[in-house]
Amino acid sequence: AQRVTQPEKLLSVFKGAPVELKCNYSYSGSPELFWYVQYSRQRLQLLLRHISRESIKGFTADLNKGETSFHLKKPFAQEEDSAMYYCALSRGPSGSRLTFGEGTQLTVNP
Amino acid sequence: DAGVIQSPRHEVTEMGQEVTLRCKPISGHDYLFWYRQTMMRGLELLIYFNNNVPIDDSGMPEDRFSAKMPNASFSTLKIQPSEPRDSAVYFCASSSPGLAGYNEQFFGPGTRLTVL
Repeated sequence: AQRVTQPEKLLSVFKGAPVELKCNYSYSGSPELFWYVQYSRQRLQLLLRHISRESIKGFTADLNKGETSFHLKKPFAQEEDSAMYYCALSRGPSGSRLTFGEGTQLTVNP
Repeated sequence: DAGVIQSPRHEVTEMGQEVTLRCKPISGHDYLFWYRQTMMRGLELLIYFNNNVPIDDSGMPEDRFSAKMPNASFSTLKIQPSEPRDSAVYFCASSSPGLAGYNEQFFGPGTRLTVL
């Protein structure tokens, strides 16, 4: 069975500081990993996925199969990054369902 | 497209009452998901449908919960009878991984349910 773990429920940093939201997964196959974000009073939405290897809003995430991790990073946090972040796993391109982590509430203080 | 539509946005009811949550997925999407979000348990998948057929309902907490999808543009999640511990935000999401080539789910705004 697949599982996604986000060890930090709450994370607080100051504006301009680097931020890393941790995500670890367990799955024996070749998963697809995603980060979803939920800003205050907005819908949960896709932030980025590992296959695209892109940077969105300054965030990047690298899939480390050896450590089974998919940590989300940003070198300089902004106040508008404050949100709930969910790491999610899909069982490959043909997978239909997503397994979500517990979520990390990021607060960026001025 | 207005995206996934959910109604009502807020529902306050008393214990023992029946609650019906509604969802309209994005047109053309063939998967529909119901999630529950709480502070304690995060985002939990309750049930999902493919082409209107329930595929996995193992996340439905108990028999008080039921979900239907009578057609491609409408789904309901019903709680009968409701209990205070059902208080949560319920999200509906839809996707079309075959069309998109990857598994992006589009979420509705959620229904905040409070059971007194």
